Amino acid sequence: NAGVTQTPKFQVLKTGQSMTLQCAQDMNHEYMSWYRQDPGMGLRLIHYSVGAGITDQGEVPNGYNVSRSTTEDFPLRLLSAAPSQTSVYFCATFRGGTEAFFGQGTRLTVV
Amino acid sequence: AQSVTQLDSQVPVFEEAPVELRCNYSSSVSVYLFWYVQYPNQGLQLLLKYLSGSTLVKGINGFEAEFNKSQTSFHLRKPSVHISDTAEYFCAVSDQGFGNEKLTFGTGTRLTIIP
Repeated sequence: NAGVTQTPKFQVLKTGQSMTLQCAQDMNHEYMSWYRQDPGMGLRLIHYSVGAGITDQGEVPNGYNVSRSTTEDFPLRLLSAAPSQTSVYFCATFRGGTEAFFGQGTRLTVV
Repeated sequence: AQSVTQLDSQVPVFEEAPVELRCNYSSSVSVYLFWYVQYPNQGLQLLLKYLSGSTLVKGINGFEAEFNKSQTSFHLRKPSVHISDTAEYFCAVSDQGFGNEKLTFGTGTRLTIIP
């Protein structure tokens, strides 16, 4: 039982490149979300999903794209990376709307 | 819209001393309240949560928090801290109508335990 698995753990991108951050869960939770963590700003919600085929924007969605074709996977796509997207990204699932489970994070640097 | 304020960005405490980490929130509706802990280079782990019922909530590792609706606060306390409590602590809130998928986090408090 792996819980929430994020890959890769570290990534360096050049400005303008695109990439996909992967998130997979084996807990059969309907709700999943992506957050970014920046120093002094806490965690900010990027996108979330309440089930397969359903996604919605969070607080800071610009520059990111998501899809949810299965319950297990919720990838986050950076369309054209910018230095402002340098951050630590966390994927989270939710149980019954009352507890979140987080992955270990992806540390992304855009140069 | 909901918001969370953690007034203290850093809190140094001597080992075995008590600690309180402060959290205030604002929301126009009833809320669920959470404290998460993040150890270095790790994800977030749930420390405790308030959903309903008793306003004093006990969590893991000897932590507890008290929900005060009139003061819109949810302060975290521990009577005696250990070196292993060194971590960053996040207070979070969600509207009861939405559940957990729209958690709003505070900016975090870095707790440093001094031997």
